[in-house]
Order: sequence, then C-alpha cells, then structure tokens
Amino acid sequence: AQKITQTQPGMFVQEKEAVTLDCTYDTSDQSYGLFWYKQPSSGEMIFLIYQGSYDEQNATEGRYSLNFQKARKSANLVISASQLGDSAMYFCAMREEDSGGGADGLTFGKGTHLIIQP
Amino acid sequence: DSGVTQTPKHLITATGQRVTLRCSPRSGDLSVYWYQQSLDQGLQFLIQYYNGEERAKGNILERFSAQQFPDLHSELNLSSLELGDSALYFCASSGHVMGPDTQYFGPGTRLTVL
Repeated sequence: AQKITQTQPGMFVQEKEAVTLDCTYDTSDQSYGLFWYKQPSSGEMIFLIYQGSYDEQNATEGRYSLNFQKARKSANLVISASQLGDSAMYFCAMREEDSGGGADGLTFGKGTHLIIQP
Repeated sequence: DSGVTQTPKHLITATGQRVTLRCSPRSGDLSVYWYQQSLDQGLQFLIQYYNGEERAKGNILERFSAQQFPDLHSELNLSSLELGDSALYFCASSGHVMGPDTQYFGPGTRLTVL
C-alpha cells in the first residue's frame, strides 16, 4: 500500500483563487512528520510547511496552511490567493520513526502538477 | 537558496561507467540524505548519514554507495551505470538525526547515462 497518496495528478486554478492540494497518508507510528515541498520547472525542491503528528494547531507559513485531520490521516495543503509563480509540482512527504527510535528518510507522494492561469 | 550545495549540476556518462556526486550540507547540519528522482520511481530515499556514520538505508542499489567525511560533506558513488540510473539526484540536510526534522534540499545533480 502506498504510504503517501496524492490523488490529483494535475490542477488548473485561476489566479487569486485559493487552492487545496490533497494528501492522505498511511502509518502506524504515533510520532511522525508531514511535509510539503514545491518543485518548480527549474527542478529544485523547496520546503513549504511542516506538521508534526502531535501538533494540535494546523501549521501556517504565509500563504500556505496545512489542513491536518489526524483521524482521517489527511494533510492537505491550502494555498491562499494563488499567484502565477505558484505553478509547480507539489509533493507531500512523511517521515516516520524507525525501529531504533530515530527517523528515516522522507517518503514522497507522486505529486500534483499545479498550473495557475491568469 | 537552501544552503545545500551539490556538484556537478549535470553529468553525462556512458553505461558501465562510475561517477561521484558531491554534496555540502547547510552550515551546522549533521545529517545528509540522498534521494533519487526518476520518471518511473518518483522521489525515493536512498541513504542517510549522520555525523560521518550511516544511519538509515532506503532503496539504494548495491552498485551505489555513499560516505560522509569529517568536514560533513558527502559523496554518492554510482558504479556500473545503467540506462535506468538516469535521474535527478538530490542531497538534503537537516540538523538532527532524531525526530521529523525538516530536510533542506540542494539543487540536484542531473545524471544522464547514454
């Protein structure tokens, strides 16, 4: 089973509208972290936002917020007032604790290609 | 700019060859991670080093190896290259080995195997 599922391969959104990118995850760990990264056409991976499994408040970073619903195992990214520069691939990722109590590498979803139209 | 540097930016080589990718983490970060991004497999975690020691392994092939040096820079060695090894290879760094610490990615090395 996939650990990170992003069900929207592509999205077209009008500039200035809000966007919600879906992400569901699968883990049996109690402690884990959820991340969103942006990958523009230039290729770099840009960290956007982080949510810890024990955080009670939804994370926010400027125009980005994470709608964390733990019982549903979802961690959707919300971008408010979208801009043309938001056009990019967006990846949801999870980091779980390993058996030794440390943390492993990130597990990524397949990504959502977001295109903002003027 | 994440503060993570990777060289070279592009690499073109032939099947059967060996290449070395280099990564310098952000100042003060002790953990280095390597990832491979390909059209077939998406983004995959390969291996993690923390303060010079191997800490975790992901889907890394036996033909691939890595190390982290005392100055904390890391190298990923890819040998007996195959066409399917063509991909974008990322290095990321973080400050800690424990807990879901944020990983900051370098710009990547695009490897093309002909």
